[in-house]
Amino acid sequence: GAVVSQHPSWVICKSGTSVKIECRSLDFQATTMFWYRQFPKQSLMLMATSNEGSKATYEQGVEKDKFLINHASLTLSTLTVTSAHPEDSSFYICSASLNTQYFGPGTRLTVL
Amino acid sequence: KNEVEQSPQNLTAQEGEFITINCSYSVGISALHWLQQHPGGGIVSLFMLSSGKKKHGRLIATINIQEKHSSLHITASHPRDSAVYICAVRSGGGSQGNLIFGKGTKLSVKP
Repeated sequence: GAVVSQHPSWVICKSGTSVKIECRSLDFQATTMFWYRQFPKQSLMLMATSNEGSKATYEQGVEKDKFLINHASLTLSTLTVTSAHPEDSSFYICSASLNTQYFGPGTRLTVL
Repeated sequence: KNEVEQSPQNLTAQEGEFITINCSYSVGISALHWLQQHPGGGIVSLFMLSSGKKKHGRLIATINIQEKHSSLHITASHPRDSAVYICAVRSGGGSQGNLIFGKGTKLSVKP
């Protein structure tokens, strides 16, 4: 089946630094990738929809200048959390769309 | 009220038991997903349904579009089935539509 990878799988950073998370579709091309965030014991929440070659579409309440999304190729989308703060600590999951959505394994971000 | 409601929130079963997890939704959908999230957080897509019933191994998923309800059944449950099961509906058309997630059902199967 289709495989989506994320890197890194976990990251710990200091407050104020920026963190980049990569999402790759390994064996298929995905014109659309989605970024989700999941807080403990909460459901996944869509942050943004990333379309190859165009600007991402952000959900209401998600700051586009804080969560920078780049979808430079059909197999790679990146999410950069800029000037991270402890409240950004969460589990970030991407998915890539090919008839259905295939989910990455997630990245656990901890901001100290 | 959430657009996607799952029940129960938590479920403990003995190995071998038949398990049912329910999902009700209040929006118009083009498809419904059942996902499995392992303790480490990784998500696996189990089923995508738009009508009827699908079966894969010991897992069965059904959907009733008129009643806006879906069920996930696990036959002969096993401790390795322990995970959070998430129902997600796709609103909007096409394969790119937004997913709306339920809060999940945490299943624990005891040996």
